[in-house]
Amino acid sequence: GESVGLHLPTLSVQEGDNSIINCAYSNSASDYFIWYKQESGKGPQFIIDIRSNMDKRQGQRVTVLLNKTVKHLSLQIAATQPGDSAVYFCAENLSLDTGRRALTFGSGTRLQVQP
Amino acid sequence: ETGVTQTPRHLVMGMTNKKSLKCEQHLGHNAMYWYKQSAKKPLELMFVYNFKEQTENNSVPSRFSPECPNSSHLFLHLHTLQPEDSALYLCASSQAGGGGSYEQYFGPGTRLTVT
Repeated sequence: GESVGLHLPTLSVQEGDNSIINCAYSNSASDYFIWYKQESGKGPQFIIDIRSNMDKRQGQRVTVLLNKTVKHLSLQIAATQPGDSAVYFCAENLSLDTGRRALTFGSGTRLQVQP
Repeated sequence: ETGVTQTPRHLVMGMTNKKSLKCEQHLGHNAMYWYKQSAKKPLELMFVYNFKEQTENNSVPSRFSPECPNSSHLFLHLHTLQPEDSALYLCASSQAGGGGSYEQYFGPGTRLTVT
């Protein structure tokens, strides 16, 4: 079946560097995407979202890029900090038109920030 | 704090026990969700409630029984569980209805161990 998946299970970066976390999705009907961060012992926390009518959206230190042609989503974190160490999940919602509001999550990427 | 609380945070139960997980949201949302998060698996959607009505049940075994008495409270009743049901159970809420963000706010989860 169609699913959301992540390319890299673990990403290790140096403090101050930029991080890029990737996500592939296979359902062309998905038109809303969201990135979550999950720290140990906590529930997922919203980072940023994007609709399929956009290809880029920026937040504070984070940017999400959407490439619908290849069904690829990425999260860029600028000047990565130790507090960014966590597991990052991408998620998709299958079609806004149906009114369905239940997210399908990828398997997650662990980001490790080295001081 | 995300505005979504879950109790208990940790639960150990035998396979013949009956227990309940509780979720409460203080965000004025009208959609609530149960997810299961186990090691090495993506977040799995279990149930969705919109305006207190169950709108999705993703083939969850009957030993899991949800209850949504009002838009602010969600329960998950557990009975005769199996060891493979051990996982982190996450509750989330969002604003249902047309348009707007699909962002879901998660609670901290209940870590369940079935012995």
